[in-house]
Amino acid sequence: KQEVTQIPAALSVPEGENLVLNCSFTDSAIYNLQWFRQDPGKGLTSLLLIQSSQREQTSGRLNASLDKSSGRSTLYIAASQPGDSATYLCAASSNDYKLSFGAGTTVTVRA
Amino acid sequence: DAGVIQSPRHEVTEMGQEVTLRCKPISGHNSLFWYRQTMMRGLELLIYFNNNVPIDDSGMPEDRFSAKMPNASFSTLKIQPSEPRDSAVYFCASSWGLADETQYFGPGTRLLVL
Repeated sequence: KQEVTQIPAALSVPEGENLVLNCSFTDSAIYNLQWFRQDPGKGLTSLLLIQSSQREQTSGRLNASLDKSSGRSTLYIAASQPGDSATYLCAASSNDYKLSFGAGTTVTVRA
Repeated sequence: DAGVIQSPRHEVTEMGQEVTLRCKPISGHNSLFWYRQTMMRGLELLIYFNNNVPIDDSGMPEDRFSAKMPNASFSTLKIQPSEPRDSAVYFCASSWGLADETQYFGPGTRLLVL
């Protein structure tokens, strides 16, 4: 069974600082790795999807890397803004197409 | 595009009552997923469908839970009878397919069973 861990559980940074969010997974035979954002009381919004054959994906200020051999993915958010405050979840997809989610990292960007 | 639509957004019911949650996926999407989110257990996949057919229901916690997808534009998740431990936020998500496809989540239904 795939286990996904996100550390730290919470993070507070001043505006403008770069954010680094970590995700680890136990089974390296993943199909893809996805990062989501969740605002309080809302659903999840997909940020980036990295296929198993890829090493990274970029979208604007967001960059996510994937290292299957070490079972790790990292989400980088450059020049953080107060609007980036949210909970960020990573999810690993196994060959049965099921997503296993981490517990998330709650980010607060202080103005 | 309207996105994934879920109803009701909030539901408060008493233990023993039947609860039905509804989901309309994004038009054209072939896969639909039901998740449950709690503080204790995080986000868990309950069941998913592909082309209206249930593929994996191993995440359904008990026989009290059932899900159907009678057509490509509608799915229900039913709990009967409901119990206080079923209190959670239930999300529906849809995607174009199963492989390497982004899942789009609905706003969720917040269920409270008293």
